[in-house]
Amino acid sequence: AQSVSQHNHHVILSEAASLELGCNYSYGGTVNLFWYVQYPGQHLQLLLKYFSGDPLVKGIKGFEAEFIKSKFSFNLRKPSVQWSDTAEYFCAVNGNEKLTFGTGTRLTIIP
Amino acid sequence: EAGVAQSPRYKIIEKRQSVAFWCNPISGHATLYWYQQILGQGPKLLIQFQNNGVVDDSQLPKDRFSAERLKGVDSTLKIQPAKLEDSAVYLCASSTRRGFTGELFFGEGSRLTVL
Repeated sequence: AQSVSQHNHHVILSEAASLELGCNYSYGGTVNLFWYVQYPGQHLQLLLKYFSGDPLVKGIKGFEAEFIKSKFSFNLRKPSVQWSDTAEYFCAVNGNEKLTFGTGTRLTIIP
Repeated sequence: EAGVAQSPRYKIIEKRQSVAFWCNPISGHATLYWYQQILGQGPKLLIQFQNNGVVDDSQLPKDRFSAERLKGVDSTLKIQPAKLEDSAVYLCASSTRRGFTGELFFGEGSRLTVL
């Protein structure tokens, strides 16, 4: 069975700080990896995705994530966060055609 | 392009009562999913449809939950009878094809409170 771990449950940062949210998965085969974001009062939407090729993928709003196969990780990064990045972030893995989500990380940006 | 539509947005019921949620996916999307998101947890897949056929319902509590997508377009998820632990947000999502090589588009969810 596949699983996803997000160890940071709630992260609080000041504007302009750098961000890194951890995501580790377990699955023995080929995976596709995703980060979804849910802004307050809005629906879940795709932030970025990795299928194959360059392990460093770039998404919307300046976010990027790096797939490190040897560490089973897909951490989300942003060099300088903004107040508008306040949201809940979910890492998800697709292996065996089932999309499994992590428990999410709540990000609060202080102006 | 219209997004995934869900209704009702909020529902409060007593335990042992029944409830139904409706979802209309993005036009042309063949695959439809129902997820359950309990507070503090990530979304959990309940059932996946490809057109009007069930692809995966392995995590659907079939003694109380049912779902249908009769014409391969909109879908209904029913809970009968409801339990306290069914309190959650029920998310509907759709995609253009089976599998997750593409993006899932989510609705805003239906929040259920069971008293």
